[in-house]
Amino acid sequence: NAGVTQTPKFQVLKTGQSMTLQCAQDMNHNSMYWYRQDPGMGLRLIYYSASEGTTDKGEVPNGYNVSRLNKREFSLRLESAAPSQTSVYFCASSPRDSRNTEAFFGQGTRLTVV
Amino acid sequence: SQQGEEDPQALSIQEGENATMNCSYKTSINNLQWYRQNSGRGLVHLILIRSNEREKHSGRLRVTLDTSKKSSSLLITASRAADTASYFCATDDNNDMRFGAGTRLTVKP
Repeated sequence: NAGVTQTPKFQVLKTGQSMTLQCAQDMNHNSMYWYRQDPGMGLRLIYYSASEGTTDKGEVPNGYNVSRLNKREFSLRLESAAPSQTSVYFCASSPRDSRNTEAFFGQGTRLTVV
Repeated sequence: SQQGEEDPQALSIQEGENATMNCSYKTSINNLQWYRQNSGRGLVHLILIRSNEREKHSGRLRVTLDTSKKSSSLLITASRAADTASYFCATDDNNDMRFGAGTRLTVKP
């Protein structure tokens, strides 16, 4: 059982380049999330998706777009990368039903923008 | 801004001692969760406490919730070197889940 899988694990981009971070879960969860983690800042919510076909902005959505392709997959796109987007990105999923809202996290993508 | 704020930011104790971490939040919640993160890894769920609960136990973990003060605490008893990690609280308001900055716990053998 793979849980939440993120690709790639590491990436270096030049300023202005674009890329898509992929996330897939095999637990049939309704909700999926993208967070970024910076030193001393904890995790900040970028976007989330409560169900297939819906997405909503979190705390820090500027510079990012997301796509909930189907129930399994939730991708995060940087259209024009900036050094301020250097961070570790985590994808998470949760069943979010009345009994269980525990989130399961991927191992993270470490992104450096130079 | 982040919903939860942990206190202290860093905590260093000896093996066998208890560790207490606190979390304060700003708005109404459905539940509050605590997560653990080992260096360079994703977060792992530890325990969830609902807004109508005041205390919950899981093994060596004890969590309290005071909704009137909008605060929670996580107690780890009889700590071990393997408990060294960062601990985060996460508040759930039925729309999304937001985390604090975390407490970095170091347990010295």
